[in-house]
Amino acid sequence: DIQMTQSPSSLSASVGDRVTITCRASQTISTYLNWYQQKPGKAPKLLIYAASSLQSGVPSRFSGSGSGTDFTLTISSLRPEDFASYYCQQSYSIPNTFGQGTKLEI
Amino acid sequence: EVQLVESGGGLVTPGGSLRLSCAASGFTFSSYNMHWVRQAPGKGLEWVSSISTTSSYVSYTHSVKGRFTISRDNAKNSVYLQIDSLRAEDTSVYYCARDPPGYYYFDYWGQGTLVTVSS
Repeated sequence: DIQMTQSPSSLSASVGDRVTITCRASQTISTYLNWYQQKPGKAPKLLIYAASSLQSGVPSRFSGSGSGTDFTLTISSLRPEDFASYYCQQSYSIPNTFGQGTKLEI
Repeated sequence: EVQLVESGGGLVTPGGSLRLSCAASGFTFSSYNMHWVRQAPGKGLEWVSSISTTSSYVSYTHSVKGRFTISRDNAKNSVYLQIDSLRAEDTSVYYCARDPPGYYYFDYWGQGTLVTVSS
């Protein structure tokens, strides 16, 4: 199975900050990498698919990059509603594994 | 409007069984692969199972093989997860999610249904 490792596991930031979350795959996954946001008690929401494509309706302050084994999610200027948990997911092979998550806190 | 609504969760004793359902609406259900993803309390997301549009291909994560069975009924716009031989570690919120044809991501998720395994 492909292991996905996110860093950091938690992150404290302020409104207006630029933040970057990284995700590393245990083997190459091309660009089969997705990012999700999850708020407490809610279902995950797709932000980025295929490493760098912005899902419809997602604000442009979110961006993704990377290929192969190393990927990043960047939020260019944090807004209050961005404080949540973020997960990467590889869809290169079954099982589709998720990273352990990054909790973004104020 | 795309909607996925799970049901069937509850409290069950170890070794017991449940059948989870996910009712879809607002899109052509038969054109989408469907997945189940779970989340233990306070933990991260874990992909559980997937089923192709015509049920030709099904997959499971290792820890549930032989105990969980995914199925779908395109006439009823529903996907199911039969979960048997339940263990305490299966306690989770179970989400269904859709996977657009030709893509490999989950663009819509249900609200989840909680399965609690406890004596």
